[in-house]
Formats: sequence, structure tokens, C-alpha cells
Amino acid sequence: QKEVEQNSGPLSVPEGAIASLNCTYSDRGSQSFFWYRQYSGKSPELIMSIYSNGDKEDGRFTAQLNKASQYVSLLIRDSQPSDSATYLCAVEYNNDMRFGAGTRLTVKP
Amino acid sequence: DARVTQTPRDKVTEMGQEVTMRCQPILGHNTVFWYRQTMMQGLELLAYFRNRAPLDDSGMPKDRFSAEMPDATLATLKIQPSEPRDSAVYFCASGLVSNTGELFFGEGSRLTVL
Repeated sequence: QKEVEQNSGPLSVPEGAIASLNCTYSDRGSQSFFWYRQYSGKSPELIMSIYSNGDKEDGRFTAQLNKASQYVSLLIRDSQPSDSATYLCAVEYNNDMRFGAGTRLTVKP
Repeated sequence: DARVTQTPRDKVTEMGQEVTMRCQPILGHNTVFWYRQTMMQGLELLAYFRNRAPLDDSGMPKDRFSAEMPDATLATLKIQPSEPRDSAVYFCASGLVSNTGELFFGEGSRLTVL
């Protein structure tokens, strides 16, 4: 069974702080890892992808991958109220894309 | 502006009725996924297709759900008979195998079974 686990939250951080979101996965053969953002009532949209161990930075977002620990994380620096959303971790194995249940993030002004 | 189109956006039906949801993937995309999202279960994978061939539908209740892709521009998800526990938002997503795995989601079909 391919599983992707996330803390459901809610996670609340003050504006300007760093938000840290975590995800673990069960299938060691997983090849690609993604973070999607979903605003309430909307569909998920891709914000970050990562394929190799280490960090990948894109603006205020940093994705971290540790395949040995089967762990993926997303850091959001200088959090803004507009970052308030549910963040979904997605893991791909042989084109089978599985999602975690998502972590709801609230950034308070 | 290329996007995934899903119909209907909202559907209210009574238990036992047949429900068909349709999806038009982005032109040129060769993978199509069907997901179901509820507050309790999150985003569950129901089925997916590559080049119109079904690769995995193990997430679907086989006795009542069926997914097909009659041509490259249409994917369907059918529930017969529907039950109240099927109430959820159903998302279709399409992607390109060679394109880093990014999926583009439709706006979803909200199903309510009374």
C-alpha cells in the first residue's frame, strides 16, 4: 500500500514567520515529490517539485527531500496571509500519483 | 488558456441513481487521473489512464464505479447505483508523462447523494 502521511494541522503562524510542513511516504521506490497548494473551494495547484536529496529553493519556498528517511518538507519563509491554504504532499511512483490528506495552514496578520 | 474541464460542477441526486462525471483533459496530455476528496479522507486516487489505457483502478469500488476514456478528449467516471457515502468532490487531473509529473486539476465536480 502506497501511503503519504501529513499532519492535518491546523498549523497557525504569524505573518512574517517561517511555516514548516512535513510529509512522510511509505514506498521506497518513489521517484518524484511535489507540493500542491489548495485554497478553500478551489482545486490543487503545483507550487514545488523535488527529485533528488537535498534542498530546492524557489522564492520564499524551500522543499527538502531525504529519501533515506522517506521524508519531504516544505518551508515557507516570510509567511503571508495569502499563503493560508491547505498544502498537499504528492508522491509519484511509476506515474501513480498519491496525495497526503493535506495540512491546513493559517497565517495570521 | 489550456485547462482541464469538468462537468457537472455540482450534482445533487438521490440514492440509487446513476451519476456520470465528465472530464476534458488538456490537449496533448497523455495521463488522466480521477481523485475523490472528502474532509475525512483527503484526496484519494480512484483511477488513472496513460494514453487512454487504464493503468490502475484499484482505488475504486468496483461494484459501483467505472472509469473509461473513450477518446483522448474525454474521460468519464460513472457511479451506479450512487450511495450517500459517495458524496464528495471529484477531481480530474491531466499531465504529460515526460513533463516532470506535474498534474493540472479541473475545478472539480461536487456530488451530493441524498
